[in-house]
Amino acid sequence: QKEVEQNSGPLSVPEGAIASLNCTYSDRGSQSFFWYRQYSGKSPELIMFIYSNGDKEDGRFTAQLNKASQYVSLLIRDSQPSDSATYLCAFTTNTGNQFYFGTGTSLTVIP
Amino acid sequence: DAGVTQSPTHLIKTRGQHVTLRCSPISGHKSVSWYQQVLGQGPQFIFQYYEKEERGRGNFPDRFSARQFPNYSSELNVNALLLGDSALYLCASSSPNQPQHFGDGTRLSIL
Repeated sequence: QKEVEQNSGPLSVPEGAIASLNCTYSDRGSQSFFWYRQYSGKSPELIMFIYSNGDKEDGRFTAQLNKASQYVSLLIRDSQPSDSATYLCAFTTNTGNQFYFGTGTSLTVIP
Repeated sequence: DAGVTQSPTHLIKTRGQHVTLRCSPISGHKSVSWYQQVLGQGPQFIFQYYEKEERGRGNFPDRFSARQFPNYSSELNVNALLLGDSALYLCASSSPNQPQHFGDGTRLSIL
């Protein structure tokens, strides 16, 4: 059984703060990791993906992967009200044939 | 460039009916995946097709079927609809070993 665990939240942070979103996964064969953002009533939108241990930065977003601990996180710096959404963590195995999604963490950025 | 397009956007059916959902991938993408997303949950994998062949199947009953056409577009068919089939159905396309990009989804309501 391949599982992805996320804190469902809701997580509230003030505007300008750092939001930290966490995800753990159970399958040690997991190869690729993704963060998607989903606004209410909309489809998921890719934010970042990471394959290797360590940090990957893209603008205000930083993804962190620790395969030994089976843990991936997303940091959002200088949070904006427009960042308020549900953030979905996902991974694929080495076959890449299937994405496994968590239930998502709801983030609210308070102006 | 056009993204993943899905049709219809909304659909209302009654129990026992059949439904066909359609998806056109991003130009150049040969892989199409289908997901079911129930309110408050992450997307659940249904099928993946690559080059017209089924490459992955999630834990869904045989009432769910799909196919991919030579132009890489895809259809998801659901027979004998149940109330529990009410959900947002998402299609995603990708190139090999690349992140998936989602369409806007079809919201299916079963009465």
